[in-house]
Amino acid sequence: AQSVSQHNHHVILSEAASLELGCNYSYGGTVNLFWYVQYPGQHLQLLLKYFSGDPLVKGIKGFEAEFIKSKFSFNLRKPSVQWSDTAEYFCAVNLNQGGKLIFGQGTELSVKP
Amino acid sequence: DTEVTQTPKHLVMGMTNKKSLKCEQHMGHRAMYWYKQKAKKPPELMFVYSYEKLSINESVPSRFSPECPNSSLLNLHLHALQPEDSALYLCASSQDNVEASPLHFGNGTRLTVT
Repeated sequence: AQSVSQHNHHVILSEAASLELGCNYSYGGTVNLFWYVQYPGQHLQLLLKYFSGDPLVKGIKGFEAEFIKSKFSFNLRKPSVQWSDTAEYFCAVNLNQGGKLIFGQGTELSVKP
Repeated sequence: DTEVTQTPKHLVMGMTNKKSLKCEQHMGHRAMYWYKQKAKKPPELMFVYSYEKLSINESVPSRFSPECPNSSLLNLHLHALQPEDSALYLCASSQDNVEASPLHFGNGTRLTVT
């Protein structure tokens, strides 16, 4: 069955530390990849997306992600986190099945000031 | 703030009640979605409407009944729910249901079934 795996359940960092959140998917076909963020008490927001072309995509708020097809991975990175980045981060894969978007389990990021 | 509006924000209902969740967007999107999210879990897809027609039903129990009266509105009718149905119900919309369209989410309705 198709699935999306996020390796880290909870990540705790100090401000200015670098961030990398892992995401792997299991699906052999063409996919479209997304990272969403959910700040405390707020709605899910799109951080960035990959459809085709340059595998390194840049999103909002200094986030970027790299698609490595051979590894079925789409890891999220930020060189220097801020306290305001504290949130839940979800990797999601669209399976090209009429809008079926599958989410990973989520990674809770806590940034200490 | 989100452009997808969900009402009510909170709902408490008994197992014999009938209630409805409402969702509205005015971005001209033609695909709308219902997701269910339990605490500390990812959103789970329930239904997809594309051009006002139900295109995906993820084997959701019949006590949940979706309705799309027009391209801007999406309802979820609830009847005879169970306590385990308590969750955050999220509505989303996208330009269409092709795979490249990102979803725009509402703030959700937090449902408690007593």
